[in-house]
Amino acid sequence: DAKTTQPPSMDCAEGRAANLPCNHSTISGNEYVYWYRQIHSQGPQYIIHGLKNNETNEMASLIITEDRKSSTLILPHATLRDTAVYYCIVRDGGATNKLIFGTGTLLAVQP
Amino acid sequence: NAGVTQTPKFQVLKTGQSMTLQCAQDMNHNSMYWYRQDPGMGLRLIYYSASEGTTDKGEVPNGYNVSRLNKREFSLRLESAAPSQTSVYFCASRLTGLQPQHFGDGTRLSIL
Repeated sequence: DAKTTQPPSMDCAEGRAANLPCNHSTISGNEYVYWYRQIHSQGPQYIIHGLKNNETNEMASLIITEDRKSSTLILPHATLRDTAVYYCIVRDGGATNKLIFGTGTLLAVQP
Repeated sequence: NAGVTQTPKFQVLKTGQSMTLQCAQDMNHNSMYWYRQDPGMGLRLIYYSASEGTTDKGEVPNGYNVSRLNKREFSLRLESAAPSQTSVYFCASRLTGLQPQHFGDGTRLSIL
C-alpha cells in the first residue's frame, strides 16, 4: 500500500501558485519524498525529491515539515500545461528504488 | 537522446495469445522496471531489474515473465494473455542511488 495520503483533486487559477499537500505520517528516517506527475496518461515525469530540507529546482519547490510527516509541492506560477495527476511517493534509500504509487491528486489549472 | 523507448505503442490480443513488450533505454542506466496502470489507479510494479543479469518480482508479477537481455533492454512477456491483463504498461529506468526513474510513453494493451 502507498504510504502517502493526497487529496483526490484540486483547482488552481492560471498564473497563481499551486500548493499540493501530502501526508506521510509513517515515514521513517531513511525514506525520501519524491514527486512525479502524469499528463494525459503519458509516462510519469519526475519533478523533485527531498529528505528533510526544502528543495527547489526549475520546475517546483518542495517543503517538508520539520517532523517530516507531511510535505507540500509548490508550482510557483501554474499554467494550463501543469494540469496533471501529481503523485507523492515515499521510498527508502536502498538500491532497488521501488516506487509505490497511490492515486495522486488531479490538479486542474483553470484559465 | 531518445530516453526510454517502448514498442509497440498499441496492441490488441485475443485471450490465450502470447506477446512480448519491448523496452530499451539509451541512458546507460543500471536499473529497469515494468509497471501496469489500470483506469483511475496509480502504477503498480510488475517486475524490476536492479542491474544487468538480475530480475525480481514486484507487486503484481503473476502472469508475466521478464528478461533483462542486456544493459539497455528489458522485455515483458505475457505467455497466455487474459482480459484482466488489459492495461497500460510503462517501462522505466534509473541510473543508481537516489536518481529518479525515467519513464517511457507506455504500451496500451487490450485483450479480448
